[in-house]
Amino acid sequence: KQEVTQIPAALSVPEGENLVLNCSFTDSAIYNLQWFRQDPGKGLTSLLLIQSSQREQTSGRLNASLDKSSGRSTLYIAASQPGDSATYLCAVGGSTLGRLYFGRGTQLTVWP
Amino acid sequence: EAQVTQNPRYLITVTGKKLTVTCSQNMNHEYMSWYRQDPGLGLRQIYYSMNVEVTDKGDVPEGYKVSRKEKRNFPLILESPSPNQTSLYFCASSPNRPNSPLHFGNGTRLTVT
Repeated sequence: KQEVTQIPAALSVPEGENLVLNCSFTDSAIYNLQWFRQDPGKGLTSLLLIQSSQREQTSGRLNASLDKSSGRSTLYIAASQPGDSATYLCAVGGSTLGRLYFGRGTQLTVWP
Repeated sequence: EAQVTQNPRYLITVTGKKLTVTCSQNMNHEYMSWYRQDPGLGLRQIYYSMNVEVTDKGDVPEGYKVSRKEKRNFPLILESPSPNQTSLYFCASSPNRPNSPLHFGNGTRLTVT
């Protein structure tokens, strides 16, 4: 069974720092990997989707990379802002179409 | 506005009283799925549907039922709720899997006493 791990579980940084969130998975037979943001009391918002054939995706200050062979993905956030404070989750699309496996998330706090 | 709508947002019920949580999307998405989120366990998939009349089990289907009779709706049914089903539930949809991002509803917080 696919296991998804996110490190660190929590991160607190001052505004302006560049930071990296990590996601690892045990089974490299995946279709894609998706990064989400979750704000308290709300649903998840999709940030980036990387297909298994891709190495990275970028959107604004966010860059996500995927190394399928080593079972790792990173989410890079440049020039962090207090508005980036949220929980970030990664989810792996399994080899069975439709199955999705989530990590437990990294709770990010960016202070002014 | 394109969205996934869940109802109700909050629900308190008693053990054994059947309930349904509704999920509706207005984006003509093929794929829909249900998740529960518990502290320390993260999000776990309950059921998913690749298309109308097609449903499959996720990680934790026990105690839940779903149906997909039309494309826009994917209700989650708890025939006999128990306290261990107290959780935050999310519905999500996508144009297709695995090539498209998921869109989530705002969640339903269920408490079973």
